[in-house]
Amino acid sequence: DAKTTQPNSMESNEEEPVHLPCNHSTISGTDYIHWYRQLPSQGPEYVIHGLTSNVNNRMASLAIAEDRKSSTLILHRATLRDAAVYYCILNSGAGSYQLTFGKGTKLSVIP
Amino acid sequence: KAGVTQTPRYLIKTRGQQVTLSCSPISGHRSVSWYQQTPGQGLQFLFEYFSETQRNKGNFPGRFSGRQFSNSRSEMNVSTLELGDSALYLCASSFPGTHEQYFGPGTRLTVT
Repeated sequence: DAKTTQPNSMESNEEEPVHLPCNHSTISGTDYIHWYRQLPSQGPEYVIHGLTSNVNNRMASLAIAEDRKSSTLILHRATLRDAAVYYCILNSGAGSYQLTFGKGTKLSVIP
Repeated sequence: KAGVTQTPRYLIKTRGQQVTLSCSPISGHRSVSWYQQTPGQGLQFLFEYFSETQRNKGNFPGRFSGRQFSNSRSEMNVSTLELGDSALYLCASSFPGTHEQYFGPGTRLTVT
């Protein structure tokens, strides 16, 4: 399985943008990049996914490098509710639900 | 729309016993996946069911099994419980052909 590398932890001030990086140098041409987050004492929550182009939704933006070997999840204005572990996951496509979670990045938001 | 529900939320069992956990997916979702989360191993995929058939299986011993019913509800069973089976068991459901998985709150299993 293609693997991802994320920093163990990051900090952000409330109401400031947050850029969460993910390296995936062995990504294959058919791998989608998914982001999930897990708030304390909850199950993971889908955030966003993309293949080649940058993607935006109501929760976040996903910026994908041109060579697809890295990507960045962007939270435009961090709130206390965004404090969570963020997981960057490669998955082979729609209808494929065998996710391989790494250790993720623990994001702390400072009021 | 109601989210994924899992019952029970908490469970304490003794080594050697067996346990059955239940998951009700979001209405219309036909794929149900199960994951185990422990502090040491993190989140690990157990298996996925679609239309009552196991479609994918992770690297877990045969003591871990599951099934899916015609209404897409799913159960997982762990037999001959070991202390190492203490974990949060998460269920996720998906609508056919989409990317997103929707997770339930999990069942916290403690084996003593």
